[in-house]
Amino acid sequence: DGGITQSPKYLFRKEGQNVTLSCEQNLNHDAMYWYRQDPGQGLRLIYYSQIVNDFQKGDIAEGYSVSREKKESFPLTVTSAQKNPTAFYLCASSGTGTATNEKLFFGSGTQLSVL
Amino acid sequence: RKEVEQDPGPFNVPEGATVAFNCTYSNSASQSFFWYRQDCRKEPKLLMSVYSSGNEDGRFTAQLNRASQYISLLIRDSKLSDSATYLCVVRGSSGTYKYIFGTGTRLKVLA
Repeated sequence: DGGITQSPKYLFRKEGQNVTLSCEQNLNHDAMYWYRQDPGQGLRLIYYSQIVNDFQKGDIAEGYSVSREKKESFPLTVTSAQKNPTAFYLCASSGTGTATNEKLFFGSGTQLSVL
Repeated sequence: RKEVEQDPGPFNVPEGATVAFNCTYSNSASQSFFWYRQDCRKEPKLLMSVYSSGNEDGRFTAQLNRASQYISLLIRDSKLSDSATYLCVVRGSSGTYKYIFGTGTRLKVLA
């Protein structure tokens, strides 16, 4: 089945530690995204990538880093510089170029908590 | 001013009621518009795209007003299962695949 896979579902981070959240898609989508959601809040864009080997900062990129070495994969690293990392992280992908394939599809999310 | 704004609610309505949500956006060059539904601590799922001519899918009707820069969602004959948060989503200018979300409007349908 085509879709987006995020792992792990739950992740715990110790103080000063970097952690990486995985996101893989087999939808052949060019664009991929990372959003953060805090309780009772909407989704805020961290980073997005419209094509392999290229990515742009979203509205809250500080303390995060990404890479896009393969079309299928867009991992997010939460660095120790992110002082308030506890949140629900959502990865998404979309096609580009036509109205029918530009919809966002989401993975099931990763809940990150600080120990 | 936020790029995409929604009334957070909550909207508490009885079963069978009609309820409407609005969403305003600030970028007049925005290209595409969507409504997503999100259940608690789950991923958002596409409810419907919003087209200039307006579109309907069963009990749901979406409208776009480019001149006033708002989109709307109308739910008729509300069901208990419609209880969720409804997210307004706007894609930026042509060639930019950046999707911006509103904070969401919470709907609770009461028996």
